[in-house]
Amino acid sequence: AQKVTQAQTEISVVEKEDVTLDCVYETRDTTYYLFWYKQPPSGELVFLIRRNSFDEQNEISGRYSWNFQKSTSSFNFTITASQVVDSAVYFCALGSNYQLIWGAGTKLIIKP
Amino acid sequence: EAGVTQFPSHSVIEKGQTVTLRCDPISGHDNLYWYRRVMGKEIKFLLHFVKESKQDESGMPNNRFLAERTGGTYSTLKVQPAELEDSGVYFCASSQLGDRGNEQFFGPGTRLTVL
Repeated sequence: AQKVTQAQTEISVVEKEDVTLDCVYETRDTTYYLFWYKQPPSGELVFLIRRNSFDEQNEISGRYSWNFQKSTSSFNFTITASQVVDSAVYFCALGSNYQLIWGAGTKLIIKP
Repeated sequence: EAGVTQFPSHSVIEKGQTVTLRCDPISGHDNLYWYRRVMGKEIKFLLHFVKESKQDESGMPNNRFLAERTGGTYSTLKVQPAELEDSGVYFCASSQLGDRGNEQFFGPGTRLTVL
């Protein structure tokens, strides 16, 4: 079975704190893709990153970084020096045979 | 370049009525997907078109749902008759033809409320 688990339903931090959103996935495929999407209060789903299963290099984009570890089937997302504008629901997803399998999402609240 | 658009943004209907949702993908994107998120649950895949052909409709919940993509451009998703459990947000996405890891671009969603 293929599954994505985001165990953190909601996280609340004060602005400028670092925060890590966890994502654990299950798949039997040897080739697969992992994604993070952001859903701000306006409702649209905004693409953040894609990783394929053969590329375990960590990635950094500004204040955002992602840690992909196949050994633990995890693809965690860290925001450094969080800002109020980072407040949103963040979804982790597994790409399998074109369809995306989604985690339940983590609601991130950044307080000023 | 215009993104994925969906119409309407919000629909409120009575149980038993029919509703048709529309999705216009990014121009040139042959892949088109429908997903939905019912209250408090994960976003779930409904189906995938490649051009006008249904490539995978394994996520369609039942035969009250009918999706079409005539001419391989925009798509419609019709719910007939609507039930209370159909309430949720319906997202459409599109991607370029290519490998299955291609980024899917999402529309803003249609919020469907069935009373």
